[in-house]
Amino acid sequence: EAAVTQSPRNKVTVTGGNVTLSCRQTNSHNYMYWYRQDTGHGLRLIHYSYGAGNLQIGDVPDGYKATRTTQEDFFLLLELASPSQTSLYFCASSGAGGAPDTQYFGPGTRLLVL
Amino acid sequence: QQQVRQSSQSLTVWEGETAILNCSYENSAFDYFPWYQQFPGEGPALLIAIRSVSDKKEDGRFTIFFNKREKNLSLHIKDSQPGDSATYFCAASDTNAYKVIFGKGTHLHVLP
Repeated sequence: EAAVTQSPRNKVTVTGGNVTLSCRQTNSHNYMYWYRQDTGHGLRLIHYSYGAGNLQIGDVPDGYKATRTTQEDFFLLLELASPSQTSLYFCASSGAGGAPDTQYFGPGTRLLVL
Repeated sequence: QQQVRQSSQSLTVWEGETAILNCSYENSAFDYFPWYQQFPGEGPALLIAIRSVSDKKEDGRFTIFFNKREKNLSLHIKDSQPGDSATYFCAASDTNAYKVIFGKGTHLHVLP
């Protein structure tokens, strides 16, 4: 069974604060993704990566940076958090082979920006 | 512009009925259509998927019906159980893309 873990599971910060969300996958997958989930919007892609050092811009990238340090680890950075970034964040991995492939999601991080 | 559209935000059925969740898409290049199931407090997980060369895919009580000409598909859940209560996401991608476009989700309630 594919494994994706996220930390922290819950985070509260203030407007203007600096937040880093972490994701690790032990599936030997090439692709990793960051999504946000909001009521009425479903899952929206923020950034994704196809390997260490690579970063691709998703559909809602504004206000977010991401970094893929190793094949296993993908980080999402909010350098000046705003209340509009209050959301449920999911990391996913996929792509041991050719596209398209099943995405395996982590348990999510709930972020509240006050 | 919503590339993958799910017609209902919420659907309620009685236990034992067939739940039908509808989805449509805009991009003719899409050729892979997964459905993901999400329970409260968890991440989505792949339930069943179909490729555009097929018009039907069945896995136990779950069946996808696909209409390429009309650019729509539906997920049928036969003999619905309260344990099927979850949010279901229709998604789409094309063969050359590692990016998947998700619909907004349909929250299914199965009443006992």
